[in-house]
Amino acid sequence: DAGITQSPRHKVTETGTPVTLRCHQTENHRYMYWYRQDPGHGLRLIHYSYGVKDTDKGEVSDGYSVSRSKTEDFLLTLESATSSQTSVYFCAISDPGLAGQETQYFGPGTRLLVL
Amino acid sequence: GQSLEQPSEVTAVEGAIVQINCTYQTSGFYGLSWYQQHDGGAPTFLSYNGLDGLEETGRFSSFLSRSDSYGYLLLQELQMKDSASYFCAPMGGSARQLTFGSGTQLTVLP
Repeated sequence: DAGITQSPRHKVTETGTPVTLRCHQTENHRYMYWYRQDPGHGLRLIHYSYGVKDTDKGEVSDGYSVSRSKTEDFLLTLESATSSQTSVYFCAISDPGLAGQETQYFGPGTRLLVL
Repeated sequence: GQSLEQPSEVTAVEGAIVQINCTYQTSGFYGLSWYQQHDGGAPTFLSYNGLDGLEETGRFSSFLSRSDSYGYLLLQELQMKDSASYFCAPMGGSARQLTFGSGTQLTVLP
């Protein structure tokens, strides 16, 4: 299994509070992604990163920001959490420069409940 | 724009063969990936087709026709543990982003 961890694994927070989710990898992969998964919607891309300090928006980026100051860490911040951001958040990694570049490896997910 | 269609549910019995079809429209298309996700788990990679034709990995095979924007996942000798959601995910864009649809819920009956 690819070395990807997410923290926290579960979180309950209140509307209006900031929340930061962390994705940590030990694979030295260049690309990192944040997805959210909601019933009936599959996985939707929030933000992605193609290197340290290089990030870009995905399909559903409103209300989210990201930072990547080190290769191994990709942080997702909900600046002011809303109930519509209650979801399961998955981090994924890939490296187009390596064999098997087409594979994205997913972390275990973080279940976030915003009350 | 982008679009993706696959059946929402499929049911089959143990030992049977199932084909899950996928049609897509993706800008900057690289290839088509397939992922499996069990309830409560993370998606796991099954296969990737970058070129037209069939890719075989054990009991699973995947097919791509670029000209038809169509692919399928073929699962043979179904087992109970194959009950899961299956996602086709076209890969495209500068960061080789995956686009996931709502997935196909496969139920394998004894």
